[in-house]
Amino acid sequence: EAEVAQSPRYKITEKSQAVAFWCDPISGHATLYWYRQILGQGPELLVQFQDESVVDDSQLPKDRFSAERLKGVDSTLKIQPAELGDSAMYLCASSLSADTQYFGPGTRLTVL
Amino acid sequence: GENVEQHPSTLSVQEGDSAVIKCTYSDSASNYFPWYKQELGKRPQLIIDIRSNVGEKKDQRIAVTLNKTAKHFSLHITETQPEDSAVYFCAASTANDYKLSFGAGTTVTVRA
Repeated sequence: EAEVAQSPRYKITEKSQAVAFWCDPISGHATLYWYRQILGQGPELLVQFQDESVVDDSQLPKDRFSAERLKGVDSTLKIQPAELGDSAMYLCASSLSADTQYFGPGTRLTVL
Repeated sequence: GENVEQHPSTLSVQEGDSAVIKCTYSDSASNYFPWYKQELGKRPQLIIDIRSNVGEKKDQRIAVTLNKTAKHFSLHITETQPEDSAVYFCAASTANDYKLSFGAGTTVTVRA
């Protein structure tokens, strides 16, 4: 069964450093989502792509976060500079028909 | 935007008993309601979903009910087993943008 892939699984960084996360959606899934999940809470949408275009990035802190999906397949989420409050699980999800979303294993970020 | 509230935050049941988790939503335009199960350190897994054109859906020991008038939906797990122990998230989205808004999660513990 195809799954969403993410790397790295864990990342520890110091504040003010730059970090990047990678996501490879299920083959053929046109819609890709990045979520942030703080411990003990539900995921919160950061950005949504349809193919290579951003559909919604209203909750993305654009002063430090950026996301791209240049060829409409895999995607990268970057944080620069990282802050202590960015410590969280970053989840990627993809969907074929824009409703049922399948999640990757996530990247757990710790900012020291 | 959509606001999803989920109750209870924790639920402990005896093996073999039933578990019920309830969610309410605010946007009457919401029409898709998935439930995800997340085990510790793992990705959220879709376990069941329901669309607004039906009031109930069942899959083996899991069922979901939807009351559009009252804007609430519930997850029912019957004959609980230890492997049902996990965090369960409800979510809601509309056909306009398919953005999922998640509840805060319910930690279910099944006592052997």
